[in-house]
Amino acid sequence: AQTVTQSQPEMSVQEAETVTLSCTYDTSESDYYLFWYKQPPSRQMILVIRQEAYKQQNATENRFSVNFQKAAKSFSLKISDSQLGDAAMYFCAYNAMDSNYQLIWGAGTKLIIKP
Amino acid sequence: NAGVTQTPKFQVLKTGQSMTLQCAQDMNHEYMSWYRQDPGMGLRLIHYSVGAGITDQGEVPNGYNVSRSTTEDFPLRLLSAAPSQTSVYFCASSPGTGPPGYTFGSGTRLTVV
Repeated sequence: AQTVTQSQPEMSVQEAETVTLSCTYDTSESDYYLFWYKQPPSRQMILVIRQEAYKQQNATENRFSVNFQKAAKSFSLKISDSQLGDAAMYFCAYNAMDSNYQLIWGAGTKLIIKP
Repeated sequence: NAGVTQTPKFQVLKTGQSMTLQCAQDMNHEYMSWYRQDPGMGLRLIHYSVGAGITDQGEVPNGYNVSRSTTEDFPLRLLSAAPSQTSVYFCASSPGTGPPGYTFGSGTRLTVV
């Protein structure tokens, strides 16, 4: 069975600095998708970034980028130029190929932005 | 575009009561799922549906029922509420083909006393 592990329950960063959130996963599959979701206090789940395992290139979305290490089964999220609005819970999630009904979730990392 | 609409947003139940959490999507997505979110844990799959008339169990199905009579609606029924079902519940939908693109409802905070 696939598992997702986020080893940092909480991280803090100074505004405008860079922070990296860690995620590791376990799977025997070769093709899959990985996601980072943001959950602010409003509770809404917001997609931050998606990575396809068959793509070598790391996904980027503006200030958000990932470091995808397939062999190491690692999928970290880097947030550059941190802003107060980035404060939230961040969840890493795994989606098996051809299984668009189930995400396997990590426990989450609470990100605190210090002004 | 409404996306995924979940109701109610908050609910308090007494132990043993039953209720239905409503979920509706207007994107013609084939797949719909229900998750629960508990403190210190990731979301866990309760039940899912890959199309109208087709449902299946996820990781934590006990105490819950679902049905999918239309593409748009996927209600979650709590048969006899227990304090262990106190949680935040999310409904999600996704296209049945192509890369997964999940849309989540805004969640329901349920407290069972």
